[in-house]
Amino acid sequence: QQPVQSPQAVILREGEDAVINCSSSKALYSVHWYRQKHGEAPVFLMILLKGGEQKGHEKISASFNEKKQQSSLYLTASQLSYSGTYFCGTANGSSNTGKLIFGQGTTLQVKP
Amino acid sequence: DAGVTQSPTHLIKTRGQQVTLRCSPKSGHDTVSWYQQALGQGPQFIFQYYEEEERQRGNFPDRFSGHQFPNYSSELNVNALLLGDSALYLCASSRLTAFGETQYFGPGTRLLVL
Repeated sequence: QQPVQSPQAVILREGEDAVINCSSSKALYSVHWYRQKHGEAPVFLMILLKGGEQKGHEKISASFNEKKQQSSLYLTASQLSYSGTYFCGTANGSSNTGKLIFGQGTTLQVKP
Repeated sequence: DAGVTQSPTHLIKTRGQQVTLRCSPKSGHDTVSWYQQALGQGPQFIFQYYEEEERQRGNFPDRFSGHQFPNYSSELNVNALLLGDSALYLCASSRLTAFGETQYFGPGTRLLVL
């Protein structure tokens, strides 16, 4: 089943923060976050494995709540380059191999 | 280090025709996954190839088939094209590490079926 992302879209000014959520009704093994700019391929941001781990990548970090089957992506002090569509991809079951099931995406627009 | 490459970048076909898309994985990667992305949607898993075998398959009809070669490159074939097959076709490559697999996407092939 497809994970649900919220919000569907968000508009920010440079320097503002945003949180994007990804929820699944199925037990998750891992959550993978990607950013896709218009007309380009999705670019890998980070992967979170079972264990409630929080990972960081410059000013972008994420958490994974295994009990709630939720992950959140945190973008702090947003930059113009953060604009794009963010997708979470989930790996269900007992391994981190095989197919990823992607959410419908969250479109982020950062304005000057 | 070359990333994932795909060819062609764009393709226009008519209903009923057949198409073959190609993918070369990142250096060191042995697994290739194919996804279909319709406009405004997230990528949908078609299938994954590992050691020249289809390891896992998504909810796509048999018109969609694939192949992986000994050099790990892969092809996606779609027969009897329908208008609804128009989409961006993404290839992702990966390899198994202690943390599982991280899939890296290629630039995609945009297919238009008329």
